[in-house]
Amino acid sequence: DAGVIQSPRHEVTEMGQEVTLRCKPISGHDYLFWYRQTMMRGLELLIYFNNNVPIDDSGMPEDRFSAKMPNASFSTLKIQPSEPRDSAVYFCASSGPGQGYEQYFGPGTRLTVT
Amino acid sequence: SQQGEEDPQALSIQEGENATMNCSYKTSINNLQWYRQNSGRGLVHLILIRSNEREKHSGRLRVTLDTSKKSSSLLITASRAADTASYFCATDQSQGNLIFGKGTKLSVKP
Repeated sequence: DAGVIQSPRHEVTEMGQEVTLRCKPISGHDYLFWYRQTMMRGLELLIYFNNNVPIDDSGMPEDRFSAKMPNASFSTLKIQPSEPRDSAVYFCASSGPGQGYEQYFGPGTRLTVT
Repeated sequence: SQQGEEDPQALSIQEGENATMNCSYKTSINNLQWYRQNSGRGLVHLILIRSNEREKHSGRLRVTLDTSKKSSSLLITASRAADTASYFCATDQSQGNLIFGKGTKLSVKP
């Protein structure tokens, strides 16, 4: 398996623009997670899905953030409009019914909003 | 909310020495997991220990769990420069969901 795939790897955009991050989880995994990592706040869980259904979105900062999972092999995280404080590395992770639902992380998308 | 808290925040050792990192958590757990993150990369799962286990080994890694103290430790023996990374503990909140600590940044000098 190719692992969790994220795109793009790097995104530089101007404040006010819409940003869409994409994730393809590992085949067979039924959980998908979106995290944000910054030096100041560490690793934050934004939202997670189970069987394509959002379970907990309490970590989504505000209405500018939205996430979808239209099918088992694809998810998006959208920021509209983007702000400089959204600059961070965004990780997607997936897990399945293994020993303890260990999570497999993608390489991340480094977002810079100027 | 933060569940796991690693200690120390940063650790610097010489190659060949052992590295010990600690994790404390607040609520009861089903399992505790340790992850490693190399600079600029995603987290990688290292080892999982269940709440009914006290110690687990994997290669040069040794994990202990003390549920009475709500704490865990990760020991890396005979460290190598390649072990330089950040190490995170994670505890399960509900099935499938993990809460990660802020991590210990380990630097192993050759």
